[in-house]
Amino acid sequence: EVQLLESGGGLAQPGGSLRLSCRATKFTFASYSMNWVRQAPGKGLEWVSAITGSGDRTFYVDSVKGRFTISRDNSKNTLYLQMDSLRADDTAVYFCATLTRLPTPDYWGQGTLVTVSS
Amino acid sequence: DVVVTQSPLSLPVTLGQPASISCRSSQSLVYSDGNTYLNWFHQRPGQSPRRLIYQVSNRDSGVPDRFSGSGSGTDFTLKISRVEAEDVGVYYCMQGTHWFTFGQGTKLEIK
Repeated sequence: EVQLLESGGGLAQPGGSLRLSCRATKFTFASYSMNWVRQAPGKGLEWVSAITGSGDRTFYVDSVKGRFTISRDNSKNTLYLQMDSLRADDTAVYFCATLTRLPTPDYWGQGTLVTVSS
Repeated sequence: DVVVTQSPLSLPVTLGQPASISCRSSQSLVYSDGNTYLNWFHQRPGQSPRRLIYQVSNRDSGVPDRFSGSGSGTDFTLKISRVEAEDVGVYYCMQGTHWFTFGQGTKLEIK
């Protein structure tokens, strides 16, 4: 069974940093573009960032540009999100997901909670 | 940026009755390859979203046939022919043509 397992969430102060990880198992990880999607408490879903399968191109929603960095290590089947200059409105559950455009299964992790508060 | 608007935001439905959710995009969702990347997701409380429908009208594996998607261009609809108790939760449409944008979500509850 395919699994995407996020980790690295927790409490950070405003202006601080966190690094999220998403490890994929039983999945041809390098074949998929990968994404981070977040959900603020009681709110809807927001796409945050994407990276191509090879890692050569990255994309961000405007609100995180210059603060968040997406990366991947295909040898470790792992996706990352480096979050710097965190703000209170970054507080959310962060999911990694394939969001594939292809007619193939779509996979999501269980999410990891990031809380930004002093 | 592409804005995706769902309606209604709250949908109380009697068991066994049909339900319908509308999703409208501020731009055409027809991609350069001719496909339309409009998906529907279902999220139960405390769970990750699950994709139900991809490319407007294609059901994912294991999705009951009471779920159907339709539409074109900028207007799309998710229909549930007969609502069951397990269908409660929040439904999101998501456009994947111009990067990704989710609708606000529609909360389906049983009357």
